[in-house]
Amino acid sequence: AQTVTQSQPEMSVQEAETVTLSCTYDTSESDYYLFWYKQPPSRQMILVIRQEAYKQQNATENRFSVNFQKAAKSFSLKISDSQLGDAAMYFCAYRRGSGGGADGLTFGKGTHLIIQP
Amino acid sequence: DGGITQSPKYLFRKEGQNVTLSCEQNLNHDAMYWYRQDPGQGLRLIYYSQIVNDFQKGDIAEGYSVSREKKESFPLTVTSAQKNPTAFYLCATGAGWETQYFGPGTRLLVL
Repeated sequence: AQTVTQSQPEMSVQEAETVTLSCTYDTSESDYYLFWYKQPPSRQMILVIRQEAYKQQNATENRFSVNFQKAAKSFSLKISDSQLGDAAMYFCAYRRGSGGGADGLTFGKGTHLIIQP
Repeated sequence: DGGITQSPKYLFRKEGQNVTLSCEQNLNHDAMYWYRQDPGQGLRLIYYSQIVNDFQKGDIAEGYSVSREKKESFPLTVTSAQKNPTAFYLCATGAGWETQYFGPGTRLLVL
């Protein structure tokens, strides 16, 4: 079974600074997808960024980027120019690729990100 | 306006009672999912459905049941067999291999 580990229960960063959230995963599959979701106090799950395992290039979405190290099974999220609105729980998630059909996601336990003004 | 709706926002269950959580989508997605979130935990998969009239158990299906009679709807019933139902329940949809999109959630509390 796949597992996703987020080793940082809580992180704190000053506004406008950069922070990196860690995620490692364990799988025997070669085709899979990785995601970072944000859950603010409203509890709505919001997709931040997605990475296909077959792509070597790291995904980027505005201030959010990932460092995907497939051999190390590592998938960290970097948030640049942190803003107060970035404060939330961040979840790393894994899903098997196309051979697995429309399987569900496997989530880590989350990292609580605090933004200091 | 496209999206995923879940109702009710809060639900109270008495001992021995079955309750049903609603999930409706108008995104025309084939796949629908139910997740449970406990405090300090990530989401765990309860059930999922890839097409109408078909569904599969996830990691924690015991004490839950689902149906998928329409593409737009995937209700979750929390049965009396679920001894610890207090949690936040999230419904999601997806178009095949692509990203899953989540509804606003239902908080279930036991009286």
